[in-house]
Amino acid sequence: GENVEQHPSTLSVQEGDSAVIKCTYSDSASNYFPWYKQELGKGPQLIIDIRSNVGEKKDQRIAVTLNKTAKHFSLHITETQPEDSAVYFCAVSKVGSQGNLIFGKGTKLSVKP
Amino acid sequence: NAGVTQTPKFRVLKTGQSMTLLCAQDMNHEYMYWYRQDPGMGLRLIHYSVGEGTTAKGEVPDGYNVSRLKKQNFLLGLESAAPSQTSVYFCASSYGLAGRMTGSRQFFGPGTRLTVL
Repeated sequence: GENVEQHPSTLSVQEGDSAVIKCTYSDSASNYFPWYKQELGKGPQLIIDIRSNVGEKKDQRIAVTLNKTAKHFSLHITETQPEDSAVYFCAVSKVGSQGNLIFGKGTKLSVKP
Repeated sequence: NAGVTQTPKFRVLKTGQSMTLLCAQDMNHEYMYWYRQDPGMGLRLIHYSVGEGTTAKGEVPDGYNVSRLKKQNFLLGLESAAPSQTSVYFCASSYGLAGRMTGSRQFFGPGTRLTVL
């Protein structure tokens, strides 16, 4: 089955710096790649997603890039702020899976003021 | 819109007891999902439903049952709780498959923290 690996597991940056989180997947049939942000005590919140027919997508300070050949995709957060501190999860879905998501194990991002 | 709501927020059970977790959504979504989240494990799919009256097994279905009698509700049942079911449970919903049969955006509830002693 699909295997999603997420790195790093923890990431600490200074406010204003950029943060990059990377996920790799194993199944070449995967075609939907969302990113979720989870604050302490809350449910995951979708922050950005990308489909396999697109290589990059940007939404203000957040961007996602996809390399289908290498089977990896990355979340980029620029100009980080303390409120970006949270756990971030990548996920993958493929055709024929009824839209079911396979999640990475998460990255705890800490932004220091 | 309330989005996805879950009841209860917290629960403590003794081994062998049963309980039902309720998920409700007001977005007219076709698909609904139950996940469990354990430390260092990410989210794992327990069961899901692609429409009213339908259910299917996910990655970790053992020890759980589900029902989707109404489109807006998805119930998760534990018939005989075990300590291994101590976890945070999340419900999610989505419109279903997007164009080209790809996944669509899932929206999550706030979670239920369950402890089984």
